[in-house]
Amino acid sequence: AQSVTQLDSQVPVFEEAPVELRCNYSSSVSVYLFWYVQYPNQGLQLLLKYLSGSTLVKGINGFEAEFNKSQTSFHLRKPSVHISDTAEYFCAVSRSGGYQKVTFGTGTKLQVIP
Amino acid sequence: DTAVSQTPKYLVTQMGNDKSIKCEQNLGHDTMYWYKQDSKKFLKIMFSYNNKELIINETVPNRFSPKSPDKAHLNLHINSLELGDSAVYFCASNRGQQETQYFGPGTRLLVL
Repeated sequence: AQSVTQLDSQVPVFEEAPVELRCNYSSSVSVYLFWYVQYPNQGLQLLLKYLSGSTLVKGINGFEAEFNKSQTSFHLRKPSVHISDTAEYFCAVSRSGGYQKVTFGTGTKLQVIP
Repeated sequence: DTAVSQTPKYLVTQMGNDKSIKCEQNLGHDTMYWYKQDSKKFLKIMFSYNNKELIINETVPNRFSPKSPDKAHLNLHINSLELGDSAVYFCASNRGQQETQYFGPGTRLLVL
């Protein structure tokens, strides 16, 4: 079974500063990796995903993530955050092939400070 | 145009009651899901249907029964509600496993 660890439950950062949200996964087989964002009182929406190919994945709203197989990580980065980036961010993993469930991490609350 | 919609948005009910939550998607997706998000924001899959067939059934009490009348709808019926069922329930859909999941706005259930 796969699992996801988001070590930081909260990350405060000043507006216009860079941010990195950490995600590590565990799986013995090939995986797909996702980052979702949840704004207050809303459902989740996809920021970006890694299926195969280039390890650097660019997503919406200026976010990007890098798949590192040796370190089993998929950290999310943004060079300059805005107040509007304040939200909960979820890393997720699923095994590739067939009908496989997506396992979500426990989430990281990004708090952008003006 | 709402892609994935859920009704009701809020549900407050007494312990022991039976309630249903409905989900509809107009994206033409084949696969639909129910997730439960607890007060600590932990998101856990409950069920998944593909073309009206159950494909994922996590360890969920049998008080929870999903029903998919057609591939655009996935409803969740809960019998004998308990305090621990209080959570936000999200419906989602996608075209296939590696495809983006589109989430509904959630149904906030409070059991008193």
